[in-house]
Amino acid sequence: ILNVEQSPQSLHVQEGDSTNFTCSFPSSNFYALHWYRWETAKSPEALFVMTLNGDEKKKGRISATLNTKEGYSYLYIKGSQPEDSATYLCAEAGGTSYGKLTFGQGTILTVHP
Amino acid sequence: NAGVTQTPKFRILKIGQSMTLQCTQDMNHNYMYWYRQDPGMGLKLIYYSVGAGITDKGEVPNGYNVSRSTTEDFPLRLELAAPSQTSVYFCASSYHRGRYTEAFFGQGTRLTVV
Repeated sequence: ILNVEQSPQSLHVQEGDSTNFTCSFPSSNFYALHWYRWETAKSPEALFVMTLNGDEKKKGRISATLNTKEGYSYLYIKGSQPEDSATYLCAEAGGTSYGKLTFGQGTILTVHP
Repeated sequence: NAGVTQTPKFRILKIGQSMTLQCTQDMNHNYMYWYRQDPGMGLKLIYYSVGAGITDKGEVPNGYNVSRSTTEDFPLRLELAAPSQTSVYFCASSYHRGRYTEAFFGQGTRLTVV
């Protein structure tokens, strides 16, 4: 994997459903993996910063895991609510220049009441 | 707390005009970034800086220039505006000393080149 890639591109779920998205990143020269939540007409806001293989982080109904050896991270939302509707971005700090923060294209989540 | 402040919020430029997007942060962050957001494309890195006096190109640097003379400020310069530079621009900053912390974003600048 040469770039940060997210899947799916978009997702529609019903209120109460649990869901998850994937972020794949180059596993060589990894330094950190970020997850951001981006609501329409606002700025992205950080959810998690993860650095260690096997890291698991949780904030309310949202959690994330990290596998640096195979180059992927999962974001989980339990019991989705309409207010969870947003674009979820992941970003990798690392690669050939560890100062760069490179984003994936995002997963657009829509939660229907 | 002001955080990351971008100005202007909106701007319309004619082809060939120049402008500077201003970005300042008051969190003493060493890392600063400029991104552009195109529909369906997520955030593309234009330039970034790991400290005052140090800048480097991102994925899409053509048509832009930056400088970082102080820790607080990271202006983005468009020299000859082109329609392809119509986009929403975000400035961000983060602190790194041994481990990364989250990036904080400005409110964005919506630029239209006509």
